[in-house]
Amino acid sequence: NAGVTQTPKFQVLKTGQSMTLQCAQDMNHEYMSWYRQDPGMGLRLIHYSVGAGITDQGEVPNGYNVSRSTTEDFPLRLLSAAPSQTSVYFCASRRGVASYEQYFGPGTRLTVT
Amino acid sequence: TQLLEQSPQFLSIQEGENLTVYCNSSSVFSSLQWYRQEPGEGPVLLVTVVTGGEVKKLKRLTFQFGDARKDSSLHITAAQPGDTGLYLCAGEDYGQNFVFGPGTRLSVLP
Repeated sequence: NAGVTQTPKFQVLKTGQSMTLQCAQDMNHEYMSWYRQDPGMGLRLIHYSVGAGITDQGEVPNGYNVSRSTTEDFPLRLLSAAPSQTSVYFCASRRGVASYEQYFGPGTRLTVT
Repeated sequence: TQLLEQSPQFLSIQEGENLTVYCNSSSVFSSLQWYRQEPGEGPVLLVTVVTGGEVKKLKRLTFQFGDARKDSSLHITAAQPGDTGLYLCAGEDYGQNFVFGPGTRLSVLP
């Protein structure tokens, strides 16, 4: 099992550019989520999905879109990058809403200039 | 919005010392988790506590959930350099999501 994988590891964007952060898991987990981590602020939930075809907003969803067409993949799209989106992004998965055990990917460090 | 505070923010100790870090909130959580995160990696789950007053031990680490389910502590006995990292607490908000604290950055010097 690869667990939760994320690509790319690092990315630099110019303001206004768009891109997609990829996340995949091979554990057949229903629940997947995206967080961003900023210094001194912990991890903040951007979007989450409780299963294929179902997504919902978290605490800081503005400027991001998600879709969940398969159980395995949960991409995060930045529509028009802004410097405020400079952060480290983590994807996580767990078996289901009632499951406590959450697995995180290695993260994507994004810089927007 | 439910908030979690962690203290201290930074902690630097010598190998062999004991330490306690704290996670506090004014909100009640249905469960609380502790993670350790190393540089360049994602957080790794250490423990989940679900019952008020619950104590769990993981080798030299002892985790406690407050009776009122608003706070938690992590105690490390005889710290080792391998314990170095960012310790995060996360509370489940009776829904399906977790709220994370800002973390305690621990450095254990040999």
